[in-house]
Amino acid sequence: RKEVEQDPGPFNVPEGATVAFNCTYSNSASQSFFWYRQDCRKEPKLLMSVYSSGNEDGRFTAQLNRASQYISLLIRDSKLSDSATYLCVAPTSGTYKYIFGTGTRLKVLA
Amino acid sequence: ETGVTQSPTHLIKTRGQQVTLRCSSQSGHNTVSWYQQALGQGPQFIFQYYREEENGRGNFPPRFSGLQFPNYSSELNVNALELDDSALYLCASSLARGSYNEQFFGPGTRLTVL
Repeated sequence: RKEVEQDPGPFNVPEGATVAFNCTYSNSASQSFFWYRQDCRKEPKLLMSVYSSGNEDGRFTAQLNRASQYISLLIRDSKLSDSATYLCVAPTSGTYKYIFGTGTRLKVLA
Repeated sequence: ETGVTQSPTHLIKTRGQQVTLRCSSQSGHNTVSWYQQALGQGPQFIFQYYREEENGRGNFPPRFSGLQFPNYSSELNVNALELDDSALYLCASSLARGSYNEQFFGPGTRLTVL
C-alpha cells in the first residue's frame, strides 16, 4: 500500500460547482498534513496546513479524519483558475520526510 | 513568491555526466529539502539538510549527494547520470526541521538526460 494515496482524476466540474478530493495515509503517527496546489510545469504552492481536525480558508476547507486516516479538500464555488493538480502531503512523524501523493487533477469548465 | 530560488532553470546532460543544482532558501529558513518529480508523479523526497548536516534521506542511491552552506543555501549533486534521472528537481525551505514546519518550494530545475 502506498504511504499517501490520491485519486489521480481528472475531476471535470463546471464553474460554480463544489468538488471534494480525498487523500488516505498509512502512517497513523502522522500529526500534520498539507495540501499543495501545482500548476502545469510549475512548483507546488502551499494551499493549506492541517494540524487538528480541519482548517478553512475562504472557499477551501480541509478536514482530517484520524480514525479512518484520510484528509479531504473541499472547494466551493469553483473558479476556472482553480484548475490545477492538488497534492496531499503527510509528513512521516519523527523523520521530517514529506510524503506526497501523486496528486489529483482538477479541471473547472466554463 | 516564496523567496526560494533555484539555478539553473533548465539543463540538458548526457548519460554518465555529473550535474550540480543550486538552491537559495527563504530568508530566515535553516532547513532545505530536495525532491525529484517525474512527469505525472508527486515529488519524491531525496534528502534534507538542517544547519549544514544531512537530516534525513529518501530511497535514492549514494550518487545523489548534497551540501548546505553556512548561509543555508544548498547544492544537489548527481553523479553518473542515468536516463531515469530526467525530472523536475525541487528544493524547499522551511523555518526549521520537523514535520510541523511548512515547506516553501522554489521554481525547480528541469533536468533532461540524453
